[in-house]
Amino acid sequence: DTGVSQDPRHKITKRGQNVTFRCDPISEHNRLYWYRQTLGQGPEFLTYFQNEAQLEKSRLLSDRFSAERPKGSFSTLEIQRTEQGDSAMYLCASSLNAGRAVYEQYFGPGTRLTVT
Amino acid sequence: DAKTTQPTSMDCAEGRAANLPCNHSTISGNEYVYWYRQIHSQGPQYIIHGLKNNETNEMASLIITEDRKSSTLILPHATLRDTAVYYCIGSAGGTSYGKLTFGQGTILTVHP
Repeated sequence: DTGVSQDPRHKITKRGQNVTFRCDPISEHNRLYWYRQTLGQGPEFLTYFQNEAQLEKSRLLSDRFSAERPKGSFSTLEIQRTEQGDSAMYLCASSLNAGRAVYEQYFGPGTRLTVT
Repeated sequence: DAKTTQPTSMDCAEGRAANLPCNHSTISGNEYVYWYRQIHSQGPQYIIHGLKNNETNEMASLIITEDRKSSTLILPHATLRDTAVYYCIGSAGGTSYGKLTFGQGTILTVHP
């Protein structure tokens, strides 16, 4: 257990439905990342937050995806009008930027999304 | 981020050292070499990182060549629980936000 939690762990939804995932990072960590991982591939970066500010979004993050981190603590990732291609593991990670040169990321267990 | 190349898979006997190579010939001067691993159905786990010098921690050792074009992750006494996908990543540290670009990784299988 890294201290990063994600909820739910599994989600099955029908095409066209909206889904929302939650990530609770390690409490003192100011950086939070979202990644997506499909079967047999390494995780792909989606977006990241420094405190409550979303500072980078990947081209993978279409207009149907939105992420928030309202108080610089937990974060939510919402997918609207889900498509079968959205089926993947969604991973959250956090790290502490405290003036050190290197910031290892701690990953949660992921949320497995299946779109039928 | 630097492009990295790793073997698709490797085997290792339990109790022996596992040496996982990585080529990163395009790595730039400010990019660190990170190693993460992912055990089946879990999130990736940080192992070690380095810039120029060899590094060792409680999990592994990292040997970086002098020209920084390649590195080797060493698990000194592999156990069955070390069976995982190992990712070598080149990423800028310092003021960078530290986005990790994962490749396909190496599937390490430790057998009895």
